[in-house]
This record gives sequence, C-alpha cells and structure tokens, in this order.
Amino acid sequence: DVVMTQSPLSLPVTLGQPASISCRSSQSLVYSDGNTYLNWFQQRPGQSPRRLIYKVSNRESGVPDRFSGSGSGTDFTLKISRVEAEDVGVYYCMQGTYWPPTFGQGTKLEIK
Amino acid sequence: EVQLVESGGGLVQPGGSLRLSCAASGFTFSNYWMSWVRQAPGKGLEWVANIKEDGSEKYYVDSVKGRFTISRDNANNSLYLQMNTLRAEDTAVYYCTTYTAGGFDHWGQGTLVTVSS
Repeated sequence: DVVMTQSPLSLPVTLGQPASISCRSSQSLVYSDGNTYLNWFQQRPGQSPRRLIYKVSNRESGVPDRFSGSGSGTDFTLKISRVEAEDVGVYYCMQGTYWPPTFGQGTKLEIK
Repeated sequence: EVQLVESGGGLVQPGGSLRLSCAASGFTFSNYWMSWVRQAPGKGLEWVANIKEDGSEKYYVDSVKGRFTISRDNANNSLYLQMNTLRAEDTAVYYCTTYTAGGFDHWGQGTLVTVSS
C-alpha cells in the first residue's frame, strides 16, 4: 500500500499568520492518465471531514481562496495564507491513484 | 444540495452482525461511485469499501475482506454495508461518501458502530 506521511503532526499557528502542511507519498502519485490524485481534507472538531483540494491544487466549491495546494510526484503541500479561527481542526492528505486509497496520519492545527 | 444520511449503527457483540444504510439525495445517485470510510475513536481516517455506479465492481480494504459486503440500490438511492463477524477493531464512526476525481467529495454525518461485550 502507498504510505502517506504528513508533517508536522501538530501545528500551532497565530491568527492571521500563514500555515503549511507537508505530505509525502511512498511512490509517485502520477496516474497513467497523467493526473495526480492527491486530496486534502479538513475535519473540524465534532464534524465530518470535508474535501478542500482534489488533484493536487483544485479547490472544492465554497473553499476559501486562502487554502491552496501544490506539489508533484511524491511531495505535496497544503498552505493557508492567513489562518482564521474557523480553520482549527485536523487536516489529512489522501491518495486515490492506487488501490487501496490511503490517508496521511493527520495534522492538528490549533491557534497559538 | 447533496445529502448523505447514515443509519444502522449501534452496539454489537464480537462476532455479531450489523447492516449500515445510507440514504442519498440531491444528486443522481446512479452516476456516482460510492464509498464507506471509517474513523476509530480518536484516530485517523481509513477507507473501507468502494462500489461502482452500477454495482458491478466492488473493492475492500484487506482487513474487512470476506466479512463486509458493500451494495447499493439505485432505484431507492441507497448504499449499504453488511458487516459480519465483527471485531473490537471495527469500532468506529462509519461515513458514507461519494467518490469522484480520486477522492471522497461529499460525506454524511456518520454512524457509530461499537463492538464490545
């Protein structure tokens, strides 16, 4: 199975400051169709997960543009340009290129 | 608006069975792959099973193969997960999701399954 490794696992951030989460896969996530199926999810406390980003850098409808995804091959990054209070929660990367789909361990973002 | 509403969770003894249901609305259910994803208490997310739009293809995580069965009823916009021979490690919140663009885009609120004597 493809292993997804996130860092850091805990991310204290001051309101209004940027934040960055790294995700590395154990093999390249480029699929035979040329797409890279790397997703980012947000799970706020007590809520269901919500997909923020698909195919590395595409924002879901309704996701604020302060969230951005980047990367290629095996290295990916989720960036929040200016953290707001509503961004508190756990963030997961997930790959859908290979079966089975696999998630990273999660990064807990908190306000410093 | 897409809605996914899970039901059927509860407390069951080890070795027992449970059937989860997911009622879908707000989209053309028969056009989407569907999935179950679970989350053990205080833990991360784990994909459990996927089913193709017409039910002709099904995939499972190794730990549930032979014990869980995913199915769907497109006429009634419903997704199911039959869980047999349940183990303590199956204790989790189970989420019904749509599966598009190589990921899980819409999620239900989840239903808690507790396996304990």
